[in-house]
Amino acid sequence: AQSVSQHNHHVILSEAASLELGCNYSYGGTVNLFWYVQYPGQHLQLLLKYFSGDPLVKGIKGFEAEFIKSKFSFNLRKPSVQWSDTAEYFCAVNEDTGTASKLTFGTGTRLQVTL
Amino acid sequence: GAVVSQHPSWVICKSGTSVKIECRSLDFQATTMFWYRQFPKQSLMLMATSNEGSKATYEQGVEKDKFLINHASLTLSTLTVTSAHPEDSSFYICSAGPAGGVQETQYFGPGTRLLVL
Repeated sequence: AQSVSQHNHHVILSEAASLELGCNYSYGGTVNLFWYVQYPGQHLQLLLKYFSGDPLVKGIKGFEAEFIKSKFSFNLRKPSVQWSDTAEYFCAVNEDTGTASKLTFGTGTRLQVTL
Repeated sequence: GAVVSQHPSWVICKSGTSVKIECRSLDFQATTMFWYRQFPKQSLMLMATSNEGSKATYEQGVEKDKFLINHASLTLSTLTVTSAHPEDSSFYICSAGPAGGVQETQYFGPGTRLLVL
């Protein structure tokens, strides 16, 4: 069975600080990787995704993530966070079976950006 | 972009009653929809996979007779919580992916908050 680990449960940063949120998964086959964000009171939104190709993927709002296959990792980064980035961030994985398959989510990381 | 809606967004009901939650893909067709449950300050836990025109696939530990899922069309799936109890109070979220995509992205609905008194 797949599992996803997010090691940082709660991160507090000042505006303009750099961000890196860890995500590791366990699965031996081909996977698709996602980062979703949930702003307070809002629904989950896709930040970025990796299916294949360049392991460094860029998403919306200045976020990027790097897939390192040897480390089973897909860490999320942003060079300079803003107060509006305060949200819950979820890493997710699904098997690349060619059809719709279920997502396995990490436990989430709450990011709090202070002014 | 793809939009998924849920109705209602909030529901309060008495213990023992049934509650139906709708999930609609507004601008795309979805052969598969997923139902999740999210407890406060926790991650999303998949409850079941809803397939259009066939029976849903439930995750281990999820009672299929309690959480009835119907996926009658390519744009609508419903989750009915039967004989709801206070422990069923939670945030229920659906997601859907565009049909036909080999590497599809799931789009999430805004969620339905259920409070059982």
